[in-house]
Amino acid sequence: DAGVTQSPTHLIKTRGQHVTLRCSPISGHKSVSWYQQVLGQGPQFIFQYYEKEERGRGNFPDRFSARQFPNYSSELNVNALLLGDSALYLCASSLEAGQLGPQHFGDGTRLSIL
Amino acid sequence: LAKTTQPISMDSYEGQEVNITCSHNNIATNDYITWYQQFPSQGPRFIIQGYKTKVTNEVASLFIPADRKSSTLSLPRVSLSDTAVYYCLVGGWGTASKLTFGTGTRLQVTL
Repeated sequence: DAGVTQSPTHLIKTRGQHVTLRCSPISGHKSVSWYQQVLGQGPQFIFQYYEKEERGRGNFPDRFSARQFPNYSSELNVNALLLGDSALYLCASSLEAGQLGPQHFGDGTRLSIL
Repeated sequence: LAKTTQPISMDSYEGQEVNITCSHNNIATNDYITWYQQFPSQGPRFIIQGYKTKVTNEVASLFIPADRKSSTLSLPRVSLSDTAVYYCLVGGWGTASKLTFGTGTRLQVTL
């Protein structure tokens, strides 16, 4: 079975631009979460979606938004990019959102802002 | 918001048992403790999860004292391939909960 897939794997943008990152969860998983991992630090929680509804939001500005589609795939959108948005963006899927179970992570999208 | 603290790094020889402790003094009643392993350029990989006492699976054990203010991940007989960063995650789902990864412990295993 395919694991969590993320696209693109690498992306270079300039300040002020907009970016969309995509995630396909493991088949049968209804919950998708997004994390930002800055070099040398642990992943920081951005959003969790379950059954197309937002179930959790971390301490990120409104420039960050996300959505989940009927097939449970998800997009993370970031507007007005800043240099500090350079990071590895990780997507994780899990079966449910009601209880914290094992999350299955993709290998991320490396976003570089010039 | 449950904050976690882990040692920044640990060194071990191959074949030894490694214990990594995570402190989470303000853990909430409905929070679980989960440990992940991460290799460079890869996403974290689930190792083990627990709520209280002891949990064991085929790769690790997790010890949680009664007050749940800390937890210890135990890796038996580590090998070179266990060299990675290990994260302690405390949280639960719900509108009042936030998921918090620890600072991570960089484990270096040598011969």
